[in-house]
Amino acid sequence: KAGVTQTPRYLIKTRGQQVTLSCSPISGHRSVSWYQQTPGQGLQFLFEYFSETQRNKGNFPGRFSGRQFSNSRSEMNVSTLELGDSALYLCASSGGIGVLEQFFGPGTRLTVL
Amino acid sequence: GIQVEQSPPDLILQEGANSTLRCNFSDSVNNLQWFHQNPWGQLINLFYIPSGTKQNGRLSATTVATERYSLLYISSSQTTDSGVYFCAVIKAAGNKLTFGGGTRVLVKP
Repeated sequence: KAGVTQTPRYLIKTRGQQVTLSCSPISGHRSVSWYQQTPGQGLQFLFEYFSETQRNKGNFPGRFSGRQFSNSRSEMNVSTLELGDSALYLCASSGGIGVLEQFFGPGTRLTVL
Repeated sequence: GIQVEQSPPDLILQEGANSTLRCNFSDSVNNLQWFHQNPWGQLINLFYIPSGTKQNGRLSATTVATERYSLLYISSSQTTDSGVYFCAVIKAAGNKLTFGGGTRVLVKP
């Protein structure tokens, strides 16, 4: 069974631009979560989607948004990029109901110049 | 929210040595996972262990949920064990993982 995939793997953007990251979960998984990893803040939860609905949200500004499609694929969008948004963005999938183990994709490394 | 603390923050080992990594959490949890982050940043699942003991090759883990801690044991360490080990928990319904700060392990040949 294929693992979690994320595209693109690397991105370079400039301040003020927006960016969209994509995540395809393990086949059959309905929950997709997003995390941001920075050297200063560590790994922080952004949001979780289950069956196309946002089920949980972390403490990030409204510039960070996401969505999930009917095939469980998810996208996250960051608008008006800031230097501090430079980070590794990780996506995780899980079965969603009573199956809590999460599996992570390889991540998207975003650099904001 | 729930707090997760890992110790030690850094660990330097000679190849072949054994080690224990600790994860303390501040409240009861529904899920606890251990991950190894490879040099490219991907989090590799080691154990899903909300309670009890599990073993996988040279690695084993024990979670004592009533005392709110988990231990990861690495035996006969190899250079490929180098990297950062994270403990993460889920407290309530949903899939929000709260991560500890990690233990950075360096295994020297």
